[in-house]
Amino acid sequence: GQNIDQPTEMTATEGAIVQINCTYQTSGFNGLFWYQQHAGEAPTFLSYNVLDGLEEKGRFSSFLSRSKGYSYLLLKELQMKDSASYLCAVRGRYNTDKLIFGTGTRLQVFP
Amino acid sequence: DSGVTQTPKHLITATGQRVTLRCSPRSGDLSVYWYQQSLDQGLQFLIQYYNGEERAKGNILERFSAQQFPDLHSELNLSSLELGDSALYFCASSVVQGNTEAFFGQGTRLTVV
Repeated sequence: GQNIDQPTEMTATEGAIVQINCTYQTSGFNGLFWYQQHAGEAPTFLSYNVLDGLEEKGRFSSFLSRSKGYSYLLLKELQMKDSASYLCAVRGRYNTDKLIFGTGTRLQVFP
Repeated sequence: DSGVTQTPKHLITATGQRVTLRCSPRSGDLSVYWYQQSLDQGLQFLIQYYNGEERAKGNILERFSAQQFPDLHSELNLSSLELGDSALYFCASSVVQGNTEAFFGQGTRLTVV
């Protein structure tokens, strides 16, 4: 089976840095994904990790530790438009496998 | 624009009815996934098709069924609808090599009254 845990809600201030954690337990692993979803809209892809370490993409970075079943998404220089839900998803053993999503972390950015 | 097209965008129907949601994947994508998202809930995986064949099944009710056609578009059929089926239904597609994230359509918002 698969189990993915994220905090339900977080708040932060504009210009700050926030780290959203994700822990997972899966029977097979072939990548961890982070998506951003604004209310009522489609999830959009942010980052992908399959090897341990940090992947940086502009203001967003994602880290993975496979041995710990742990990932985080780091958002720097927060902007109001970053207020959204952030979804952690894990893919099973094969590239053809489905993505299983956590329940998401709702981030509110305040001025 | 993700390249994944879902129709209709909105659907209002009565309990007991049957509806069909349609998804056209990105050009070249062989995998199609269907997800259900109820209000303030996470994305629940329903079913996946890969190149016309069912690949994986999640918590999909027996009242729900899906198929993928030779041109790779997919349909999700929901029957004997209940109030609790009201949700956003997302379709996603992906290619199957390397860094293969899934791209999501804009979703169909189903309201059962």
